[in-house]
Amino acid sequence: EVQLLESGGGLVQPGESLRLSCSASGLTFADYAMCWVRQAPGKGLEWVLGISNGGATTYSADSVKGRFTISRDNIKDMLYLQMNSLRADDTAIYYCVKARGSNIAVPDFDYWGQGTLVTVSS
Amino acid sequence: QSVLTQPPSVSAAPGQEVTISCSGSSSNVGNNYVSWYQQFPGTAPKLLIYDNNKRPSGIPDRFSGSKSGTSATLGITGLQTGDEADYYCGTWDSSLSAVVFGGGTKLTVL
Repeated sequence: EVQLLESGGGLVQPGESLRLSCSASGLTFADYAMCWVRQAPGKGLEWVLGISNGGATTYSADSVKGRFTISRDNIKDMLYLQMNSLRADDTAIYYCVKARGSNIAVPDFDYWGQGTLVTVSS
Repeated sequence: QSVLTQPPSVSAAPGQEVTISCSGSSSNVGNNYVSWYQQFPGTAPKLLIYDNNKRPSGIPDRFSGSKSGTSATLGITGLQTGDEADYYCGTWDSSLSAVVFGGGTKLTVL
């Protein structure tokens, strides 16, 4: 059974940094594109960043470009989200998400983690 | 303001049929595959439809997807109270080089 388990969320002040981790199990992690999707309280889904199966290609939403980076370790079956210069509007549940294939540009997201809450507030 | 436009809410009676639209442009819906997601309050989204009209295993055939031009549609037949949820469409936007989602549609089964 595929499982995605996020960790690293919490309360941070504006301007600070935070690193989220996602541990994957029950799949050949290196075969699949992965991404982070967030959802602000009471709002809709917002795709944040995606990474190809091998890690060579990444894409990001304009809202986080230059501040957030995505990476992966296909030996440890881990996905990461490094968030810098955090702002109040980055407050959201962050989901670790698996694509059905290796291509980020086909966003068929078949497995989602339970999410981890990031709160940016002074 | 979402790149993809969905109605904020739809409603229908149990047993009836409902459709949810997802309108975009040639840079997203018009030339890329569309997927649909179901989300219950407090839980992660679940994939309902991928590649415009395919269902993952375990998704009942009451759920269907279609696409025409720059619009996609999710159809649900034989509505059940358990179908009450938020529904989102998503696709790749070739101009933005990003995944885009619709704003979501809240389904109420009266």
